[in-house]
Amino acid sequence: AQKITQTQPGMFVQEKEAVTLDCTYDTSDQSYGLFWYKQPSSGEMIFLIYQGSYDEQNATEGRYSLNFQKARKSANLVISASQLGDSAMYFCAMNPESNRLAFGKGNQVVVIP
Amino acid sequence: DAGVIQSPRHEVTEMGQEVTLRCKPISGHNSLFWYRQTMMRGLELLIYFNNNVPIDDSGMPEDRFSAKMPNASFSTLKIQPSEPRDSAVYFCASRSGRTINEQFFGPGTRLTVL
Repeated sequence: AQKITQTQPGMFVQEKEAVTLDCTYDTSDQSYGLFWYKQPSSGEMIFLIYQGSYDEQNATEGRYSLNFQKARKSANLVISASQLGDSAMYFCAMNPESNRLAFGKGNQVVVIP
Repeated sequence: DAGVIQSPRHEVTEMGQEVTLRCKPISGHNSLFWYRQTMMRGLELLIYFNNNVPIDDSGMPEDRFSAKMPNASFSTLKIQPSEPRDSAVYFCASRSGRTINEQFFGPGTRLTVL
């Protein structure tokens, strides 16, 4: 079974600072996808960024970038220039060959002015 | 594009009652997923459909849960009879067949079973 680990406790980050959210995964699949989703207090799940296991470059989407280290099986999310609206839960997820998307437990981020 | 639509947004019911959650995926998407989110277990995949066919229902907790997708634009998740431990947020998500990338989530249905 696939396993996604997000172990950081709740994080406070100063507005305009960068924050890194850790994610490690465990799989024996050769081909898989890694995702990050944001869940604000309103509850919806918002897709942020995707990284394919065979992608050689780290994915970037605006202020979001994914630090993908395949050998270490880590896919950390970096949010640059934090904004108050970034306060939310952030979930790392992996889509293995079986297509059973597996989610981590999430990281709580609070951006303070 | 209206996005994934779920109804109802909130449901409060009594133990033993039947509950039906509804989902309309994004038009043109051919994969549909049902998830359950609780504090204790996080986000769990219950079942997913490809082209209206259930592909993997190993996440369905027990026989009280059933899901159908009679056509490409509609799916239901039914719980009968409901129990207090079924209280959770249930998300529906859809994905285009043209990409293996992101799933687009609906707003969720918050279910409370008393």
